Amino acid sequence: GDSVTQMEGPVTLSEEAFLTINCTYTATGYPSLFWYVQYPGEGLQLLLKATKADDKGSNKGFEATYRKETTSFHLEKGSVQVSDSAVYFCALGQAGTALIFGKGTTLSVSS
Amino acid sequence: DAGVIQSPRHEVTEMGQEVTLRCKPISGHNSLFWYRQTMMRGLELLIYFNNNVPIDDSGMPEDRFSAKMPNASFSTLKIQPSEPRDSAVYFCASSPTGAREAFFGQGTRLTVV
Repeated sequence: GDSVTQMEGPVTLSEEAFLTINCTYTATGYPSLFWYVQYPGEGLQLLLKATKADDKGSNKGFEATYRKETTSFHLEKGSVQVSDSAVYFCALGQAGTALIFGKGTTLSVSS
Repeated sequence: DAGVIQSPRHEVTEMGQEVTLRCKPISGHNSLFWYRQTMMRGLELLIYFNNNVPIDDSGMPEDRFSAKMPNASFSTLKIQPSEPRDSAVYFCASSPTGAREAFFGQGTRLTVV
């Protein structure tokens, strides 16, 4: 079945450092890919998405490119802030089914 | 838009008691999902409704769990009897027709003592 694998955390960075969180997927057909973010005590929020190969999703300085050849959707940000500290989830969506999530990666940014 | 609304936000109950969690999806969304989040298991899909009909309940842990969606604007997740291992954060999410992303509520943190 379909699945999502993302790098285990925690990821600890200093402010203004470059961030990469790796995500790879296994799927049949043509899934859409997503990154969600969860701040402490809150629900998951959609951060960005890509619906087809080579699409780049972007939001709030975060980017991810849908790479079909490597089945990857890595999350990047050029300069992280303390306020980016959260748990990040990679997810895969197919028509007519529920989202499949990775296990989440905790990011901690210190000033 | 008010977003997905869940109640209560926090629930503490004694083992053996019945617990009912409530969810109001975003108006116009026709798919509704219940997820459970724990440190050990991460985010697990419990059940998925489409147009108020349960489509996939393979994630419901056991007969103690039941979910209903009597209309397009309301769903419940019931645990009877509750056990300490049910302690988790329960999320409800909804999705509009044709969309693959889902929009999450704030969650209900359940503690069974």
